[in-house]
Amino acid sequence: ETGVTQSPTHLIKTRGQQVTLRCSSQSGHNTVSWYQQALGQGPQFIFQYYREEENGRGNFPPRFSGLQFPNYSSELNVNALELDDSALYLCASSLEGTRGAYGYTFGSGTRLTVV
Amino acid sequence: SQQGEEDPQALSIQEGENATMNCSYKTSINNLQWYRQNSGRGLVHLILIRSNEREKHSGRLRVTLDTSKKSSSLLITASRAADTASYFCATVLTGGGNKLTFGTGTQLKVEL
Repeated sequence: ETGVTQSPTHLIKTRGQQVTLRCSSQSGHNTVSWYQQALGQGPQFIFQYYREEENGRGNFPPRFSGLQFPNYSSELNVNALELDDSALYLCASSLEGTRGAYGYTFGSGTRLTVV
Repeated sequence: SQQGEEDPQALSIQEGENATMNCSYKTSINNLQWYRQNSGRGLVHLILIRSNEREKHSGRLRVTLDTSKKSSSLLITASRAADTASYFCATVLTGGGNKLTFGTGTQLKVEL
């Protein structure tokens, strides 16, 4: 059974640029969620994808967008990067319909720094 | 916004002692989960307790849930240096789909 893998592990971007982060879900999981974790804070829910459609979104602007592919892998795209976007971005996979009844599997995250 | 608050924010104990962390939340939940995070990396799922459960055990972990007080506690018994990490509670809200709403975390340091 494979876990959740994220790439890249670290990334430095300039304000105004665009970035794409990638995630491969755990085998057997059909739902992927993305979280943003600022330094010293708990993770904040960005959005969730199920069957390639967004089915839940947190309080993030439209410049945060995502995709889920048929193999359940996912991308997080952020346009027009701002300094406050600097954070650890976490991907989590789960099995929809279980209300997270078995917990979520998280990847190790991508540390994004915007300068 | 954060759903819950965790208490204490930081905790330092000696190896072999027990560590207790508390979590409070604001709205009705489906379940509550505890996660561990080492050095700002990925989160590791520790234990899940459903809203109709009051106590759950897993190895050295004991979790309690009081839905009337909207609070939970995580007890780690016989702590080890390897338990040093940040611990977060996260709730799945009633009618909130599958998303997790995290607390602010407790930083635990276990010293030799």
